[in-house]
Amino acid sequence: DAKTTQPPSMDCAEGRAANLPCNHSTISGNEYVYWYRQIHSQGPQYIIHGLKNNETNEMASLIITEDRKSSTLILPHATLRDTAVYYCIIGSNFGNEKLTFGTGTRLTIIP
Amino acid sequence: DAGVIQSPRHEVTEMGQEVTLRCKPISGHDYLFWYRQTMMRGLELLIYFNNNVPIDDSGMPEDRFSAKMPNASFSTLKIQPSEPRDSAVYFCASSFRLGRGHQPQHFGDGTRLSIL
Repeated sequence: DAKTTQPPSMDCAEGRAANLPCNHSTISGNEYVYWYRQIHSQGPQYIIHGLKNNETNEMASLIITEDRKSSTLILPHATLRDTAVYYCIIGSNFGNEKLTFGTGTRLTIIP
Repeated sequence: DAGVIQSPRHEVTEMGQEVTLRCKPISGHDYLFWYRQTMMRGLELLIYFNNNVPIDDSGMPEDRFSAKMPNASFSTLKIQPSEPRDSAVYFCASSFRLGRGHQPQHFGDGTRLSIL
């Protein structure tokens, strides 16, 4: 699986958009970009995933560059409850196989 | 709908004792995963099952660890004998496969294990 690089921490003001970057320069053609987050003392929670097109759901938007070497997770209107560690993960879409969690980005929403 | 249910939520025991962690996946899910999380190593996959069959146990640290899934609604992770370095939060997750589409893994709230 391709490795990812994320900043260790970020701050964002409440109500503003939080943009979390992820580099995955060794991603292969059949690998997807997945985002999960982990709020303190809870299990990880799925957010969104994509292959090469931008994706949006009720939680977030995912922007993947044309060369697929990087992506950005966007939380459009961050709230205090979005404070968490966010993991960018590269993996195959062929079945529900293992996900390799890195160190993620610790996002802190500032009131 | 009930999510993934893990028990116990907290376990404190002495070194050398047997520890059994339990997991009930979401009904209808055919994949089950066991993870371990520590400050030093982060979140690591230990083993996963598909249709109750272990598929990949390469993350199981050593022979002291064993996992079983006797049926679609129950799995156990056992440590025998336990050691202080096994102290961690253990998560269970489940998912299902729908064609080639990715279905998210749903995680339980974890078992916080402390070995004294």
